[in-house]
Amino acid sequence: AQSVAQPEDQVNVAEGNPLTVKCTYSVSGNPYLFWYVQYPNRGLQFLLKYITGDNLVKGSYGFEAEFNKSQTSFHLKKPSALVSDSALYFCAVRDRGGSYIPTFGRGTSLIVHP
Amino acid sequence: DAGVIQSPRHEVTEMGQEVTLRCKPISGHDYLFWYRQTMMRGLELLIYFNNNVPIDDSGMPEDRFSAKMPNASFSTLKIQPSEPRDSAVYFCASSDVDLLYYNEQFFGPGTRLTVL
Repeated sequence: AQSVAQPEDQVNVAEGNPLTVKCTYSVSGNPYLFWYVQYPNRGLQFLLKYITGDNLVKGSYGFEAEFNKSQTSFHLKKPSALVSDSALYFCAVRDRGGSYIPTFGRGTSLIVHP
Repeated sequence: DAGVIQSPRHEVTEMGQEVTLRCKPISGHDYLFWYRQTMMRGLELLIYFNNNVPIDDSGMPEDRFSAKMPNASFSTLKIQPSEPRDSAVYFCASSDVDLLYYNEQFFGPGTRLTVL
């Protein structure tokens, strides 16, 4: 079985400050991990993925995520938040040896204040 | 390519009416997914197709929901009869086996359904 948890429904951060959106996962084997972003009134857009290799993954729009196997986490980060980063962020996981179909988290609303 | 196309973008209907949501996937993609998004339950996978064949419909909430994919370029999600608790945003997404291996799905803009 595979599951993913996003413990925060909402994250608030001031523009220019670093941001972190948390994600923890559970899989039977090894994980493939992903982040998607949803802007208002739009569909989800792929942001970045962890497959293997370097634990720090860089994605679009200056975002990065750090894979931590011991803590089963894949937190999304950005050094300096922009107001335009305000959106809904989804973490997803699938078991590397399992179905190609991922499990999505419930989503975290990121609000960046000017 | 125009991306995944969904219609209508907004639908308001009364309880008991039939609702049909439509999706055109990206040309060449052989996987198609229907999702439902609500505040209470987040993003739920309802059903997905591979090569026009339904593979897993375990997420379909009940018999009032049905989905078809008569050809590679068109899919429908039907709710009959509709109920107020069906109010949600419904997304269609498509992918191919290579993209899907790395979970890259392409989502449409969604249909916001309101059942009064």
